[in-house]
Amino acid sequence: EVQLLESGGGLVQPGGSLRLSCAASGFTFSSYAMTWVRQAPGEGLEWVTTISGSGAGTYYADSVKGRFAISRDNSKNTLYLQMNSLRADDTAVYYCAKFADGFCDATRCYGCFDPWGQGTLVTVSS
Amino acid sequence: EIVLTQSPGTLSLSPGERATLSCRASQSVSSNYLAWYQQKPGQAPRLLIYRASSRATGIPDRFSGSGSGTDFTLTIGRLEPEDFAVYYCQQYGSSPIFTFGPGTKVDIK
Repeated sequence: EVQLLESGGGLVQPGGSLRLSCAASGFTFSSYAMTWVRQAPGEGLEWVTTISGSGAGTYYADSVKGRFAISRDNSKNTLYLQMNSLRADDTAVYYCAKFADGFCDATRCYGCFDPWGQGTLVTVSS
Repeated sequence: EIVLTQSPGTLSLSPGERATLSCRASQSVSSNYLAWYQQKPGQAPRLLIYRASSRATGIPDRFSGSGSGTDFTLTIGRLEPEDFAVYYCQQYGSSPIFTFGPGTKVDIK
């Protein structure tokens, strides 16, 4: 059974940093692209960033480009999201998800997301 | 960037009724790369349909997807109590941008 377990969320001040982790199990982690999607309180879903299986390809939403960095350690079956220069509008539940029905390399990336982790809440507030 | 519009915003129905949810894209969705997700309160989204009409693993056959190009539909044949939730569509053919619709809430009438 595929399992994804996020951690690292919490309360951070505006301008601060936080690193999220997503521990994966139940599948060959290095063979799949992974993604982060967030959901602000009471709002819809927003794609944040995706990384290819090898890590060679990374893609970002404009809203986080230059502030967030996605990475992975395939030897540890773990996905990361380094979040810097955090703003109040980054407050959200952050979900990691495994790619499905797709393809992702250093030049192109498309796919849907299945399954998702349970999410971790990031609150940016002073 | 492809913008997705979902209608209606809220659908009030009774158990046993048929639900029809719409997702419209501002441009044609490449290769019908359109997915549907279900999200219940306090839970993560769950993939229901991918490639516009293929059911994900373990999804009951009362859920069906159809459509192509810019117009897509999720149909729930007979609503069960556990189907009352928010449903999101997502396009994933416009590499490398992944966009979600705003969601349709299906609630109990």
